[in-house]
Amino acid sequence: GQQLNQSPQSMFIQEGEDVSMNCTSSSIFNTWLWYKQDPGEGPVLLIALYKAGELTSNGRLTAQFGITRKDSFLNISASIPSDVGIYFCAGKNGNKLVFGAGTILRVKS
Amino acid sequence: EAGVAQSPRYKIIEKRQSVAFWCNPISGHATLYWYQQILGQGPKLLIQFQNNGVVDDSQLPKDRFSAERLKGVDSTLKIQPAKLEDSAVYLCASSLLVSEQYFGPGTRLTVT
Repeated sequence: GQQLNQSPQSMFIQEGEDVSMNCTSSSIFNTWLWYKQDPGEGPVLLIALYKAGELTSNGRLTAQFGITRKDSFLNISASIPSDVGIYFCAGKNGNKLVFGAGTILRVKS
Repeated sequence: EAGVAQSPRYKIIEKRQSVAFWCNPISGHATLYWYQQILGQGPKLLIQFQNNGVVDDSQLPKDRFSAERLKGVDSTLKIQPAKLEDSAVYLCASSLLVSEQYFGPGTRLTVT
């Protein structure tokens, strides 16, 4: 089946630092999505990307849809303590989502 | 706008017992999804409904899992009998016909 590889698996950074994480796949996707999941909650949609090469921002978050349609990255600028959580990438074809295993972000204040 | 509602939030059962989870999607969302999220992994789709009908249940273990969406609104997911490996968070999500999915808070199931 389709698999997404997310990296890094976890990261521990200083408050104020920028963060980068990425997601790669052996399959092509028509849409890339980035979700954040807090403990005890469901994933919350952060950014959706619909076109290869697209670069989209949402506040301090910026994500890009790779040209090959097989990868995406997410950047968080000037991290703050409430950025802690698990970030999931998801590739979508039609209505079917395939999720990566997540990147755990811990921020040291 | 109210989000996706799920209950219960937590459930502990013994193996071989039965359990049911309930989901109420966002009003007007035709498509409803059930996901299983095992600790340390991303959500995995179990079943997708569009209105009353099943669109995709290819990853649903049909010997023990069942789901229904009567009247095209609320949905229930049942496990009978439960196994230890069913311990996970069960997430419900909904979407309009072609839009992004919005997730509920999940039900954390522990099978002992």
